[in-house]
Formats: sequence, C-alpha cells, structure tokens
Amino acid sequence: SQQGEEDPQALSIQEGENATMNCSYKTSINNLQWYRQNSGRGLVHLILIRSNEREKHSGRLRVTLDTSKKSSSLLITASRAADTASYFCATALNTDKLIFGTGTRLQVFP
Amino acid sequence: DADVTQTPRNRITKTGKRIMLECSQTKGHDRMYWYRQDPGLGLRLIYYSFDVKDINKGEISDGYSVSRQAQAKFSLSLESAIPNQTALYFCATSAPGGQGQPQHFGDGTRLSIL
Repeated sequence: SQQGEEDPQALSIQEGENATMNCSYKTSINNLQWYRQNSGRGLVHLILIRSNEREKHSGRLRVTLDTSKKSSSLLITASRAADTASYFCATALNTDKLIFGTGTRLQVFP
Repeated sequence: DADVTQTPRNRITKTGKRIMLECSQTKGHDRMYWYRQDPGLGLRLIYYSFDVKDINKGEISDGYSVSRQAQAKFSLSLESAIPNQTALYFCATSAPGGQGQPQHFGDGTRLSIL
C-alpha cells in the first residue's frame, strides 16, 4: 500500500512561477525524501528532511515537514522548463526501505 | 558511465516466457532494490537485499524471484511472464544506514508482455 500521496496529481505553470507540491503520509517516519523523475529516466534524489526538522533548503528547492499533520511540501521557486518532470515523495521508517507516493507531474511552459 | 546500469532497457516478450532483468552498480553500496512502476501507482517494492546473503520480499513479490550474485549485481526474474507484469522496472541502490538512506536509481527496463 502507498504510504505517501502527492497533491496535486498534475500541475502546469509558466516559467518563472513557483510550483508547490504536497505529500501526505500515514505513519510515523524517520525521514521524508523528494525525488524527481524525468520522462523515460530513473528517479533522482533531491532532498531529505528528517523527522526532527521543519524546513530545509537546497538551491531553488524548499521542503517543509509537519509531523503533526503527517504532511510535507516541496516548493520550487522561479521554475524553469527544465524542471518539467514527475516529483515523488518517499518516507522511511526504521529500515532502509522507502515507501513512495504516487507522484505529481509538473509541466513548466516556456 | 552510469552508476546503476540496467539491462535490457526495453524488452517485448510473450506470455509464459521466462525473463531476467539485470542490474549492476559501481557505487559500492550493500543495499539493492527492485521496484515496479505503473501509471498512477508510483513505485512499488518487489524485492530488496541488504547484502549478498540477504534477500527479502517486498510489497508485490508474487510472480517474481531475485538473485544477488555479488555485491554489485542483483537480477530480477519473471519465471512465467503474464500480461499484467507489463510495467517499468527500476533497480536502485543505497548505502547502509538503517534509517532510510537516499536511493540511486538506474534508468529502468520497459517490459511489455503480449
């Protein structure tokens, strides 16, 4: 069963706009990770946020985590056409197994 | 060269055939994973291995088997393929850590079973 569910399922924006994707999960976690998947390629790890962290930044990415609501958000600022991809959240419990959500498809128009 | 290499990249085969998908890695990671990706369902874990002598079933292992031939090689077999196993298959690796290390993915095998 899926642990994470992303919202929205699909998002279309213009270059320069910000993109926000949300992830909700069901059980307690050790960390939550975000991955990007370009069409026809494997997933690429973007950022990891631990359960005791509330916000983390990496370049144009900002991730927040609210463990009381069991939710996380990924913000991509000043989007570029190259950001067009599917984005997945994944949660880790007490092992190295990850449980992936269903993904958000982001389309950035030039 | 890619750190995680999957072969073949594409495969079309018939119902009932035995198929092997191969994965090799140069990252030196102990942990290796096989996932299946279907549209709208995200990634689902088929099998995982935390070292050469450790093999574990994942969420959807029925109809699949694996072999960890070496630290760097982890293969997935479909003993008798059926059409609903048509999907995109990914291999991934991670370093040990016990609390969810980032995973590194190959570019996948697109498998079609007719």
